[in-house]
Amino acid sequence: KAGVTQTPRYLIKTRGQQVTLSCSPISGHRSVSWYQQTPGQGLQFLFEYFSETQRNKGNFPGRFSGRQFSNSRSEMNVSTLELGDSALYLCASSGGLADKETQYFGPGTRLLVL
Amino acid sequence: GNSVTQMEGPVTLSEEAFLTINCTYTATGYPSLFWYVQYPGEGLQLLLKATKADDKGSNKGFEATYRKETTSFHLEKGSVQVSDSAVYFCALSEGVSGNTPLVFGKGTRLSVIA
Repeated sequence: KAGVTQTPRYLIKTRGQQVTLSCSPISGHRSVSWYQQTPGQGLQFLFEYFSETQRNKGNFPGRFSGRQFSNSRSEMNVSTLELGDSALYLCASSGGLADKETQYFGPGTRLLVL
Repeated sequence: GNSVTQMEGPVTLSEEAFLTINCTYTATGYPSLFWYVQYPGEGLQLLLKATKADDKGSNKGFEATYRKETTSFHLEKGSVQVSDSAVYFCALSEGVSGNTPLVFGKGTRLSVIA
C-alpha cells in the first residue's frame, strides 16, 4: 500500500507571495491533518479535514487555509508569506479500519521564504 | 490542556548501549500514546504505540509501556545501533477515531557512535 505523498518536496518563495502544498493520503484514509515543524516551535497542528470538511483547527492566522477533495486529497495554502513561515510542512492521514487512531505522515514539504 | 514532556537531548551513546528516553504526559482523558522517529531530511515514521493503560508497544527492538499511574511512556532499547541515530518524538492523541490532533513533545536527538 502506498504511503502518504506530498508535493512538492521543496519550495523557495519570497515574502508576500502565496504557496499551495498538496497531500495524497493512504488509500482508504479519509482524514488528513497538517502540521508545521520549526526548530523553535517544534511540531504544531494546523488543521484536519475529514470528508471535505474542516473538523479541527489549530492556532494559526487566517493566512493558513486548507481544503479537501472528494478523493480525500488535500491542499493547504499560505497567503502573504512571511519569513517565519519557513518550515517543514507535514501531512498525515488516518482512518484505517483497524487503526483509526494512528496518523501516518508523509515526507513533508520544506518551504523556505526569502 | 494536553501536553507531552520529553527529556532534553541530545543523547549520545556508543553502539550496543542501552537507551532510555523519558516521556511524561498530561491529559484530561485517556489518550493513545505514540513514539515517532524522524531521520534526517525525512518526515515522521510511526515507531510504536499504545492505546490503553499497561499496553506495551514494541517495534524494531524498541519498547514503551503505557503507565497511567505515572503518566509516562518511556522509550527503551536494549542495544542501539548507529542506524538508530535520529530524532524521537513522543506524542499523544485523545481521540479514538483519529480525529483529534497529535500533541508532540519537543523531540530528543539520539546520536549513536561506532
